[in-house]
Amino acid sequence: DAKTTQPPSMDCAEGRAANLPCNHSTISGNEYVYWYRQIHSQGPQYIIHGLKNNETNEMASLIITEDRKSSTLILPHATLRDTAVYYCIVHNQGGKLIFGQGTELSVKP
Amino acid sequence: NAGVTQTPKFRILKIGQSMTLQCAQDMNHNYMYWYRQDPGMGLKLIYYSVGAGITDKGEVPNGYNVSRSTTEDFPLRLELAAPSQTSVYFCASSTTSGSSYEQYFGPGTRLTVT
Repeated sequence: DAKTTQPPSMDCAEGRAANLPCNHSTISGNEYVYWYRQIHSQGPQYIIHGLKNNETNEMASLIITEDRKSSTLILPHATLRDTAVYYCIVHNQGGKLIFGQGTELSVKP
Repeated sequence: NAGVTQTPKFRILKIGQSMTLQCAQDMNHNYMYWYRQDPGMGLKLIYYSVGAGITDKGEVPNGYNVSRSTTEDFPLRLELAAPSQTSVYFCASSTTSGSSYEQYFGPGTRLTVT
C-alpha cells in the first residue's frame, strides 16, 4: 500500500472550513483514499473514501487531484467537536489499513 | 446493533501474566482486525482475519496470538505479558461487499503491564 504524508497539526476557527491535505504520490491505480478520525483516544471513525472522483457525504468532502497524487479532506463548517486526529490512508481494498501519524486538527472558538 | 464490543475496558497485568482480550461484532462482517496504539502514535495492525478459521499476521504480531472460530468473535491472547505491550488495543471489523471496506472500531482496551 502507498505511503501518505500529512502535516502533523493544523488549527481552524470554529465555523470556518477545515482543509486537511494529504500527499500520496506513489498511489497505484487500484488504491483508494480513505479518511478516518480519532477523537480523544476513542476508536477511529470512518469519514469518507474515494478512488478518483470527488466525494461528498454528510460529514465531509474529499477532493482528489486528477493525477491522484494528493487529496484534501474538507470539513465545511468545523465545530469544536471536530477536534481530532485525522488519518489519510491509501489501500487496495484488501482490508488492511496502515495508519500513519495523522494530522491533529484543533478547532478553536 | 451493538456494533463492535471489547472487554475489558481497562486491565493491569504483571510481567509474565497472560490474558485474553475479547472482541465481538454483531454486523455479520467477514473481516476482523486487532490494532495497538502507543501514546502519541498511529495504530499498528497486530493480526487480522478474513473469515472464520482464517487468520494472518499484521505489522506487529510478536507476543500475541489470535483465533477465529466464529464470525462474531475474534479474541487476542497475550501469553507472557511484557512492559512493551502496554498500549491501547482496538478491535475492528469490516464487510467485504460493495466498494467500501469501511472499518468499524470498538472502544478499546487500555492495558498496562508492570
